[in-house]
Amino acid sequence: DVKVTQSSRYLVKRTGEKVFLECVQDMDHENMFWYRQDPGLGLRLIYFSYDVKMKEKGDIPEGYSVSREKKERFSLILESASTNQTSMYLCASRWRNTEAFFGQGTRLTVV
Amino acid sequence: GIQVEQSPPDLILQEGANSTLRCNFSDSVNNLQWFHQNPWGQLINLFYIPSGTKQNGRLSATTVATERYSLLYISSSQTTDSGVYFCAVNSGGYQKVTFGTGTKLQVIP
Repeated sequence: DVKVTQSSRYLVKRTGEKVFLECVQDMDHENMFWYRQDPGLGLRLIYFSYDVKMKEKGDIPEGYSVSREKKERFSLILESASTNQTSMYLCASRWRNTEAFFGQGTRLTVV
Repeated sequence: GIQVEQSPPDLILQEGANSTLRCNFSDSVNNLQWFHQNPWGQLINLFYIPSGTKQNGRLSATTVATERYSLLYISSSQTTDSGVYFCAVNSGGYQKVTFGTGTKLQVIP
């Protein structure tokens, strides 16, 4: 079975902090994604990566950056966390254009 | 970009009842998935179904790609079926997966 693991289930950070959300997949998938989910707004794509060191902006990249130094790991970085970045963050991976698999999610609260 | 609409937005069922959830999409798709989001927020894969029909226990799904819709059937519902059901698609050469608006299901004993 494909396994996608996010480093934290719950996270509380202070405004202005630099925050790293880590995601690791074990199936050698070239595509990885970061989404955020907010009530009433559904799931929105922040960034995705189709190969090591390659990235593409999604629908809402402002305030975020990403890093993919190794194929199995995709990191989401909040350069200076703000309260409007309080959300549920979901990481996914998939091979080419096939089935996507999600991690368990990280509930981030910025205070 | 592609638009994905799900209906109904909310559904309350008595335990044991059957239901049909619908997903309409505005353009041709390369693939389509159904997910169940559990109360802890995790998205569980139900079906990967770009076309045709699949069954898994009490759940089945049908995608009619030429008519741009997919249906998820839940039979003999149980309280553990409660949660939000999403369909998700991608189309053309894009890697992006677009999610539908979701159906919130509550199964009451």
